[in-house]
Amino acid sequence: QKEVEQNSGPLSVPEGAIASLNCTYSDRGSQSFFWYRQYSGKSPELIMSIYSNGDKEDGRFTAQLNKASQYVSLLIRDSQPSDSATYLCAVTWGSARQLTFGSGTQLTVLP
Amino acid sequence: GAGVSQTPSNKVTEKGKYVELRCDPISGHTALYWYRQSLGQGPEFLIYFQGTGAADDSGLPNDRFFAVRPEGSVSTLKIQRTERGDSAVYLCASSLRGGEEYEQYFGPGTRLTVT
Repeated sequence: QKEVEQNSGPLSVPEGAIASLNCTYSDRGSQSFFWYRQYSGKSPELIMSIYSNGDKEDGRFTAQLNKASQYVSLLIRDSQPSDSATYLCAVTWGSARQLTFGSGTQLTVLP
Repeated sequence: GAGVSQTPSNKVTEKGKYVELRCDPISGHTALYWYRQSLGQGPEFLIYFQGTGAADDSGLPNDRFFAVRPEGSVSTLKIQRTERGDSAVYLCASSLRGGEEYEQYFGPGTRLTVT
């Protein structure tokens, strides 16, 4: 069974703080890992992809992958109210091309 | 450049009716995916096209659902004999190719409501 688990939240952080979003997945045959941001009433927007163990940084966002622990995280530095959204973790497995999503973590950044 | 487009943005239909949802992928993207999303959940995979052929349709819930992509670009998701449980946001995504590392970009979605 291929599952992706996220804390549903809501997660609240003050403006300027670091927001930490976590995701675990159930199968070691996983290949690729993605973080999407989804504003209320909108479609998912890709913000980060990561394919190998370690950290990947892009602006205020850092994705961290640990395949041995089956864990991927997203850190948002200097959080802004505009970062308030639901963050979706997605994984692909083996030869499958489709994304399997977690149910998302709702983040609120308080001004 | 233009992103993925989907039409209509909203569709309300009566139970038992037939509906078609259209997706126009990013130009040059050969892989196209359909997902559906219910409130409070992540998107769930329905079907994946590589070019004109359906490479994986394992996510289609039953035989009332099918999709086509006759020329390898625009795709249509077709739902027969709609049921209230089909109500959801239907999302289309495309990627440059179908490899595991190719990033998928989503369209704005079609909100389907079956009354």
